[in-house]
Amino acid sequence: GESVGLHLPTLSVQEGDNSIINCAYSNSASDYFIWYKQESGKGPQFIIDIRSNMDKRQGQRVTVLLNKTVKHLSLQIAATQPGDSAVYFCAENIGGGSNYKLTFGKGTLLTVNP
Amino acid sequence: EAEVAQSPRYKITEKSQAVAFWCDPISGHATLYWYRQILGQGPELLVQFQDESVVDDSQLPKDRFSAERLKGVDSTLKIQPAELGDSAMYLCASSLRAGTSVSYEQYFGPGTRLTVT
Repeated sequence: GESVGLHLPTLSVQEGDNSIINCAYSNSASDYFIWYKQESGKGPQFIIDIRSNMDKRQGQRVTVLLNKTVKHLSLQIAATQPGDSAVYFCAENIGGGSNYKLTFGKGTLLTVNP
Repeated sequence: EAEVAQSPRYKITEKSQAVAFWCDPISGHATLYWYRQILGQGPELLVQFQDESVVDDSQLPKDRFSAERLKGVDSTLKIQPAELGDSAMYLCASSLRAGTSVSYEQYFGPGTRLTVT
């Protein structure tokens, strides 16, 4: 079936470096994507989202890029800090209406070394 | 800042016993979701409510799981009887109203960590 997946299960970076977390999706009907951050023992926390009619969106220290041609999504974190250490999930929404739901990828563990 | 509340945070139960989880969504959020998250994996949707109505329970193991949201506010997820394979984090999330242009963002609660022995 169609699914969302991540290229890298783990990513280790030095404090202050930029981080890039990648996500591949296979459903061309997906119209909305979200990145979530999940710290150990906590629920996922919204980071940033992007609709399929956009190719880039920026937040505070984060940027999401969407390439619909190759069905690829990435999360860029600038000046990575130890507090950014967590598992990052991308999620896609297929379709709309009242029955819309998010499908989550497997997650990437980001470790920031001081 | 408004948050999704869940209780209990941790639950240990023996297999074949009944267990229940409670969720209180952010005030005004019409859509409520229950997810199951196995360690090392992304959350998987179990059931979605719009107000008090179930709009998607296709992934809910209905022989042992049940969910209700009687007044369209808080919700309860029950497992009876619990099995060893049910050990996981159970997450509740809410959003304004699915299907509208501002509704997509889901806010998650802290989850209930269930261990079945």
